[in-house]
Amino acid sequence: SQQGEEDPQALSIQEGENATMNCSYKTSINNLQWYRQNSGRGLVHLILIRSNEREKHSGRLRVTLDTSKKSSSLLITASRAADTASYFCATDTDNYGQNFVFGPGTRLSVLP
Amino acid sequence: DTAVSQTPKYLVTQMGNDKSIKCEQNLGHDTMYWYKQDSKKFLKIMFSYNNKELIINETVPNRFSPKSPDKAHLNLHINSLELGDSAVYFCASSQPGTGDEKLFFGSGTQLSVL
Repeated sequence: SQQGEEDPQALSIQEGENATMNCSYKTSINNLQWYRQNSGRGLVHLILIRSNEREKHSGRLRVTLDTSKKSSSLLITASRAADTASYFCATDTDNYGQNFVFGPGTRLSVLP
Repeated sequence: DTAVSQTPKYLVTQMGNDKSIKCEQNLGHDTMYWYKQDSKKFLKIMFSYNNKELIINETVPNRFSPKSPDKAHLNLHINSLELGDSAVYFCASSQPGTGDEKLFFGSGTQLSVL
């Protein structure tokens, strides 16, 4: 079954605007991670938030985690054309950090 | 230096053929994975190995056989290829138990079965 589900499936914004993507999951987790995938490339890790954390920042990225609602959000502030990519959340569901379940991703287009 | 490298990048083949995809990581990680990404971009784990030992084997046809000669290598062999095997296959690695269990991905192998 699909653990993480991102919404929206696709998002189109103007450069300089903020982009928010959401992820919902079903089972308990150890941590939740966000990845970016540029077209034709592998996924690149962006940020990891642990189950006992509520918010984390990295540069223009802000991630929140609400374990009571089993949801997370990724906010990209002051977006740039180079942020155009697909963004995936991944949940770590075992105790060994070896089983990551990905959602279907959000396709973000940042228009210049 | 590429951390996780997989070859080939593109693989076009006929139904019924057997093919292999190779993966190598130079990060010193103990765990390696194969993921399949379908045409809708959904990424699903196929296998994971920890120190050459199979630890995750999802519901994958037994035509798919991973092989790990050492912890830096995880190859994927596919027998009797079918049209539905067309997808992008990603190799990845991680170091679990460090508090930083992020995945490092290769650039993918796009498999097209004709």
